[in-house]
Amino acid sequence: QVQLQESGPGLVKPSQTLSLTCTVSGGSISNDNYYWSWIRQHPGKGLEWIGYIYYSGSTYYNPSLKSRVTMSVDTSKNQFSLKLTSVTAADTAVYYCARGAYHYPYWGQGTLVTVSS
Amino acid sequence: SFELTQPPSVSVSPGQTATITCSGDKLGDKYVCWYQQQPGQSPVMVIYENTKRPSGIPERFSGSNSGSTATLTVSGTQAMDEADYYCQAWDSSTVVFGGGTQLTVL
Repeated sequence: QVQLQESGPGLVKPSQTLSLTCTVSGGSISNDNYYWSWIRQHPGKGLEWIGYIYYSGSTYYNPSLKSRVTMSVDTSKNQFSLKLTSVTAADTAVYYCARGAYHYPYWGQGTLVTVSS
Repeated sequence: SFELTQPPSVSVSPGQTATITCSGDKLGDKYVCWYQQQPGQSPVMVIYENTKRPSGIPERFSGSNSGSTATLTVSGTQAMDEADYYCQAWDSSTVVFGGGTQLTVL
């Protein structure tokens, strides 16, 4: 059974960079069949897709966030990561990692990131 | 940009059938997934590729998609089905979620 676990700072200052890592267990991130995604949920709101990455490093990002988002993968650690630059309070959300590009059968538990000085 | 529209809330009596809709331009030409989210928990996929149920999802959950509307049907609704439900599709390599529907079982 694939499990995903997000990790990273829970508090980020405005204008700084949000950095999160998702550790995958129970399966290889290098599996040809799967993409790996980030999705966020603002407090009390709906889900917002951030983007996905393939183990080879190819990516596709939400056009509304594209200028600030970078995803990467570390196959040696079975991890993939998210960086979001120039954050504001509007980036305060629960950030989820998930397996898949176009549908998500496996999700991490989510991590709350608060942007505040 | 592609958008998905869901009703904010749906109410159903226990044992009855709940229907949650999701509308979008030419949605019937795309694959739709549905997720259930209980308070404080991660979403759980209950339907994918319009009609398929993942392993472990009860048979009372079913989906359809035609024209501009996708539908999640919960038959014989139980108290445990009370949750937020999100539809999701993709268009031009971009993933879109609906705004979510709060299902109340009362």
